[in-house]
Amino acid sequence: AQSVTQLDSQVPVFEEAPVELRCNYSSSVSVYLFWYVQYPNQGLQLLLKYLSGSTLVKGINGFEAEFNKSQTSFHLRKPSVHISDTAEYFCAVRWETGFQKLVFGTGTRLLVSP
Amino acid sequence: GAGVSQTPSNKVTEKGKYVELRCDPISGHTALYWYRQSLGQGPEFLIYFQGTGAADDSGLPNDRFFAVRPEGSVSTLKIQRTERGDSAVYLCASSYNRGSYNEQFFGPGTRLTVL
Repeated sequence: AQSVTQLDSQVPVFEEAPVELRCNYSSSVSVYLFWYVQYPNQGLQLLLKYLSGSTLVKGINGFEAEFNKSQTSFHLRKPSVHISDTAEYFCAVRWETGFQKLVFGTGTRLLVSP
Repeated sequence: GAGVSQTPSNKVTEKGKYVELRCDPISGHTALYWYRQSLGQGPEFLIYFQGTGAADDSGLPNDRFFAVRPEGSVSTLKIQRTERGDSAVYLCASSYNRGSYNEQFFGPGTRLTVL
């Protein structure tokens, strides 16, 4: 079955420190990869996406992610976090054979403290 | 422009009751999706409409759940004989399907609580 794994349910970090949120998915067939952010009481907002081409993709708010096909991973990184980055982050995958639906991970809560 | 809107934002109902949740997609978007997000989980796919027809309803958990999109715009998710396990945030998304990639824009969700 197609699945997305986010092993870290919560990641505490101090302001201005670097952070990496991990995402692995179940199959290496053709995929489109996404990271979404969800602020409290708000909808999902797209941070970045990988469709094809360069394996390093840059998104909004200084985030970037790297697609690693051999490890079926798409980890999210930011070199220096801000308090305002505190939110829930979801990795999502669309398999080319999966029509249009997105399969989401369980989310990682990023907690940035001063 | 206006994003995806969902009404109501909150719905509290009693076990066994019928509920309807509404989604207004972004104008011009041909595709519409419903997802369900239970507490502590990521969103789970329910159903996808292309125009008026359900192109993929493989995520509907059982026959108590039904969704319609009669004019290819607004969609209603209908849940019969609600159960406490139906409590979740129901998310709607829309996209303008063109080519193989279509970004889905999400609404704020409807929080359903079944007592």
